[in-house]
Amino acid sequence: DVKVTQSSRYLVKRTGEKVFLECVQDMDHENMFWYRQDPGLGLRLIYFSYDVKMKEKGDIPEGYSVSREKKERFSLILESASTNQTSMYLCASSPRGAGGYEQYFGPGTRLTVT
Amino acid sequence: RKEVEQDPGPFNVPEGATVAFNCTYSNSASQSFFWYRQDCRKEPKLLMSVYSSGNEDGRFTAQLNRASQYISLLIRDSKLSDSATYLCVVNIAGNTPLVFGKGTRLSVIA
Repeated sequence: DVKVTQSSRYLVKRTGEKVFLECVQDMDHENMFWYRQDPGLGLRLIYFSYDVKMKEKGDIPEGYSVSREKKERFSLILESASTNQTSMYLCASSPRGAGGYEQYFGPGTRLTVT
Repeated sequence: RKEVEQDPGPFNVPEGATVAFNCTYSNSASQSFFWYRQDCRKEPKLLMSVYSSGNEDGRFTAQLNRASQYISLLIRDSKLSDSATYLCVVNIAGNTPLVFGKGTRLSVIA
């Protein structure tokens, strides 16, 4: 059974803190993604990675960075958390290939920044 | 112009009803198309892929019209368990991230 796990389901942090969100997949997928989801705005792509040590900016990368040191792990970093980063964060992975492949999502981390 | 557009709903329908969702996409070179389902407070999951010839999976039928850049999802004999948000998803080209619509919310009422 395919699995994407995220380090926390709920997280509360203070403004200015450095925040790490971890994502691990056990499907040997090349591609990994970080999204945030807000009411009325849908899923918005923050960063993605096609391979170890590779990263690409998505639609809203400002205020975020990522790290992919191992194939199965993709970390999202909020360098200095702000209240407008309060959101649901979803990680996903997919195999590499043309034509689009199913993306498998983790259960999400609901982050609150106070 | 938004890449993938959907009516946000909500669609409130009685059990047993037939309901249809529509979606338009802006990039005519788009290659692959999907419907995802997202239950409240859960992650999105693939419901079905959409093929040019149309495809059916039980009570669910998906259609693609490339000329009009239009995708549809038909749900027959709605069940309470069909209540969810349905996301229209498009792959623009090759190994690129999927593009998600904002979703259409469905509530099936007893």
